[in-house]
Order: sequence, then structure tokens, then C-alpha cells
Amino acid sequence: GIQVEQSPPDLILQEGANSTLRCNFSDSVNNLQWFHQNPWGQLINLFYIPSGTKQNGRLSATTVATERYSLLYISSSQTTDSGVYFCAVTGNQFYFGTGTSLTVIP
Amino acid sequence: ETGVTQTPRHLVMGMTNKKSLKCEQHLGHNAMYWYKQSAKKPLELMFVYNFKEQTENNSVPSRFSPECPNSSHLFLHLHTLQPEDSALYLCASSQEGLASDSPLHFGNGTRLTVT
Repeated sequence: GIQVEQSPPDLILQEGANSTLRCNFSDSVNNLQWFHQNPWGQLINLFYIPSGTKQNGRLSATTVATERYSLLYISSSQTTDSGVYFCAVTGNQFYFGTGTSLTVIP
Repeated sequence: ETGVTQTPRHLVMGMTNKKSLKCEQHLGHNAMYWYKQSAKKPLELMFVYNFKEQTENNSVPSRFSPECPNSSHLFLHLHTLQPEDSALYLCASSQEGLASDSPLHFGNGTRLTVT
């Protein structure tokens, strides 16, 4: 299967700081998604981004498919951004990384 | 997101009990999935249904039994579980099945504790 590695595994930010989360994958993929899992367990779609760049408010994502990585940018972080961010890719099934656990402190 | 609804949100059951998890999607999707999320592990795909037909069963023990009566509903029947089965069980749906380019949409999950 496809290996998905996310970094860093844990991240603590002061409110208002910016951050970059990375997702590396080991093979060509049809699909790449970023999810945010809140402290209650809900997984929320952030981006569907097999290639290119997308922005949604304070969040943006870039996928460079030819180099097999994707980046998630969080600007002006807020405490509600806390949770775990997952990257998932598809080959013959969806493969998830182990996530980046983000804590934003006031 | 409210497109995928899971019930119950929390479930505590003994090892001899039989219970069922329910998932309903209101997105008009054709594929539905069960995932297991244990602490500090990647999400594990358990079952996939595409157009009501099971297309994947990732070596899941028989104490977990899925049922997909139609494209909008998915059940996971549980019996004689073990404490190590305690986890967050997540249902998801997508327009098409695996190897497609349609995004996944998740429910809120059922937090299962086996005592």
C-alpha cells in the first residue's frame, strides 16, 4: 500500500502564530484530502486537493503531485484550530497518515 | 458537516452483548465505509460498500458484521467483542468507491467501549 507520513507529529502554537503541516506519500495518487479531527472525534473535510493550491479563509493547501507531498498552511491560528490534522490519499483505497496533533494556546 | 449521521455517539457494552452501529448518509453517495480509529494509529479501513455491494473486507474478525440494505444506510453489527475492540468507529461516504477521485465525508463517529 501507499505510505503516508505526516510531520510534525505534535505542534504547540501560541494563538496568532502561523504553521505549516506536511504530508509525504510514497506513490502516485488519484486523490488527496486534508481533514481536521476536533476533540470530539468529528473528522471535517478541509480540502480535496490532488494537485495545485486552494485557500479557504485562514487555511490553504498546496499539493505537488509530481514530488509526492502536500502542505497545509494555518495562518493566525486560533484555539478552535486545535485537534488532529490528517492527510489521506487514494491509490486502490484511502490511506491515512498518523496525523499532526495541534494545540493552540491562548 | 451533517451529511453523514452516526448513532449512537457513545456505546458501552460487555463482551457477551450484541449491539449495532448505524450510519445514514444524506448526500446521494454510492459508496459507504466503516473505519476504526484506535489511539495513536492511522485510521483502519474495515469495510467498503459500493452500490450496496461489499467490495472490501480488510481481514476484519467475524465478530464485526456489516450490513448495507441500501445506498443510504450502513450498519455494523457487533457481538462477543474484546476489550481491544474499544475504539472510535467512523462511517464515511463518497460519490463513488475506492480508486475514484471523489472525496470522503465522515460522520461524527461512535465511541465504543468494551468492558
